[in-house]
Amino acid sequence: EAQVTQNPRYLITVTGKKLTVTCSQNMNHEYMSWYRQDPGLGLRQIYYSMNVEVTDKGDVPEGYKVSRKEKRNFPLILESPSPNQTSLYFCASSFGQSNEKLFFGSGTQLSVL
Amino acid sequence: DQQVKQNSPSLSVQEGRISILNCDYTNSMFDYFLWYKKYPAEGPTFLISISSIKDKNEDGRFTVFLNKSAKHLSLHIVPSQPGDSAVYFCAASAINFGNEKLTFGTGTRLTIIP
Repeated sequence: EAQVTQNPRYLITVTGKKLTVTCSQNMNHEYMSWYRQDPGLGLRQIYYSMNVEVTDKGDVPEGYKVSRKEKRNFPLILESPSPNQTSLYFCASSFGQSNEKLFFGSGTQLSVL
Repeated sequence: DQQVKQNSPSLSVQEGRISILNCDYTNSMFDYFLWYKKYPAEGPTFLISISSIKDKNEDGRFTVFLNKSAKHLSLHIVPSQPGDSAVYFCAASAINFGNEKLTFGTGTRLTIIP
């Protein structure tokens, strides 16, 4: 089954404790992206990757890191999480350009205390 | 600066009637528009799209209309069904200007009343 898999689904952590949210897709998509969803703000792009070893900042990259060492995986790293990073996070992928329809993961609800 | 706006956070519609969700944009370079639907505890899923060379695109019960001069698009659902209850996001990109990034609106929660 074609899918984007994120883990974990829920995560509660404390300020400053490094964490990684994993994302994997099995559709051989070149493009992958991370979004956060916040009330009243919709979906905002954090980082995106056009292909292996090619990543770029989205609209709200501060406090986040990503890597794209393999085509299928695109982990999101929070080196020193802060409470303002409490949010619902989505990973997405598509063929080629992001204007193609995106396939989203089920989301990761992160709470930073 | 919110370049894609959905001014109605929520909308309630009787089952069987038409649902109309609206979206406005400010960036005149946007030339490709999409609607996504999101159920609770799931990721958004693609619903329908439209290119700026068209003013209407239809897929079953779903029709998207684009008014470029007003920088406005709308999603019509006819007839509305209980399973249509979800949050709807519109999104836009500027393909022909080399900007691959999708910019999303804030979402509208649609509730279909049985």
